[in-house]
Amino acid sequence: KQEVTQIPAALSVPEGENLVLNCSFTDSAIYNLQWFRQDPGKGLTSLLLIQSSQREQTSGRLNASLDKSSGRSTLYIAASQPGDSATYLCAVNNAGNMLTFGGGTRLMVKP
Amino acid sequence: NAGVTQTPKFQVLKTGQSMTLQCAQDMNHNSMYWYRQDPGMGLRLIYYSASEGTTDKGEVPNGYNVSRLNKREFSLRLESAAPSQTSVYFCASTGDLVSYEQYFGPGTRLTVT
Repeated sequence: KQEVTQIPAALSVPEGENLVLNCSFTDSAIYNLQWFRQDPGKGLTSLLLIQSSQREQTSGRLNASLDKSSGRSTLYIAASQPGDSATYLCAVNNAGNMLTFGGGTRLMVKP
Repeated sequence: NAGVTQTPKFQVLKTGQSMTLQCAQDMNHNSMYWYRQDPGMGLRLIYYSASEGTTDKGEVPNGYNVSRLNKREFSLRLESAAPSQTSVYFCASTGDLVSYEQYFGPGTRLTVT
């Protein structure tokens, strides 16, 4: 059974810092991996999706990398802003249809 | 395009009551999903429907039933609510059979007392 872990569970940084969020998974036979953002009391917004054949994906200040063999993905946020404050979730797709989620990292960016 | 919509947004039930959570998508997606989110546990899949007319159990199906009414709508029913079903419920859909990127609704916050 796939298990997904996100460390740290919470992170507080000053505005302008570059930061890295970590996601690890136990079964490397994945189809793809998706990073989401969730604001308090809201639904999930897809940020980046990395197919199993890809090493990284970029969108604006966000860069997600994938190392299938070691069971790890990282989400890099450059020049963080207070508006980046949210919970970030990673989810692994094993079978082409079902996602297994990590517990999330709650990020606070202080002005 | 409204994307994925869910009703109601909030609901309080007493133990033993029943209710149906509604989900609809206007993106012509084939697959739809129901998740629950509990503090510190991420999201867990309850049921999914790969296409109209089919449904399958996910990780935590006990206490729930689903209906794929048509391509647009996928409902989740609690026949006899229990306090353990207090959670936030999310519906999602996907139409891309290459990436399977999922799009989520805003959620229903359910409290069972």
